[in-house]
Amino acid sequence: NAGVTQTPKFRVLKTGQSMTLLCAQDMNHEYMYWYRQDPGMGLRLIHYSVGEGTTAKGEVPDGYNVSRLKKQNFLLGLESAAPSQTSVYFCASTSPPPHPHYEQYFGPGTRLTVT
Amino acid sequence: GNSVTQMEGPVTLSEEAFLTINCTYTATGYPSLFWYVQYPGEGLQLLLKATKADDKGSNKGFEATYRKETTSFHLEKGSVQVSDSAVYFCALSTLSNTGKLIFGQGTTLQVKP
Repeated sequence: NAGVTQTPKFRVLKTGQSMTLLCAQDMNHEYMYWYRQDPGMGLRLIHYSVGEGTTAKGEVPDGYNVSRLKKQNFLLGLESAAPSQTSVYFCASTSPPPHPHYEQYFGPGTRLTVT
Repeated sequence: GNSVTQMEGPVTLSEEAFLTINCTYTATGYPSLFWYVQYPGEGLQLLLKATKADDKGSNKGFEATYRKETTSFHLEKGSVQVSDSAVYFCALSTLSNTGKLIFGQGTTLQVKP
């Protein structure tokens, strides 16, 4: 049982390049989330999904797109990377009630630098 | 709107000192409250939680009590260890149908031998 895994762990992009971050979970969770972590700002929600084939915007969605074609996978795309997207990206998953009170399980993170 | 405010860090303590990290929240309804911990180079993991007023969450010697009257969820530990050095995040969930968490900005704890 690997939990939540993220690929890649590190990446350096040039401004304007594109990339996709992959999140996978093996806990059969319905809900998945993408956050970014920046110094002094905690974690901010980018996009989330409450089930296969569904996605929704979070707090800071601009410049990102997501897809949830399979229940276990949640992809985060950057179509044209900008230096402001330099951050650490975390994926998380959980199940809706009756699972106790929305504990989220986090992946190890992807450190992205855009030059 | 819903929000979480934590005391600013970094907090630097000597081993065996008493720890308090303050957390206050603003929310409609009756949120669930969480403390997550992030060790260097790792993702977040749940440390403890409380789901209704006056509940006390506890784990690994850490405790926090859900105080509705002061809208607070302060984290405490009686005797910290070097291995407790990490970033601590307070968070809330309003039990909507989205499961979204709202995080505080995080507090870095450094424990020196």
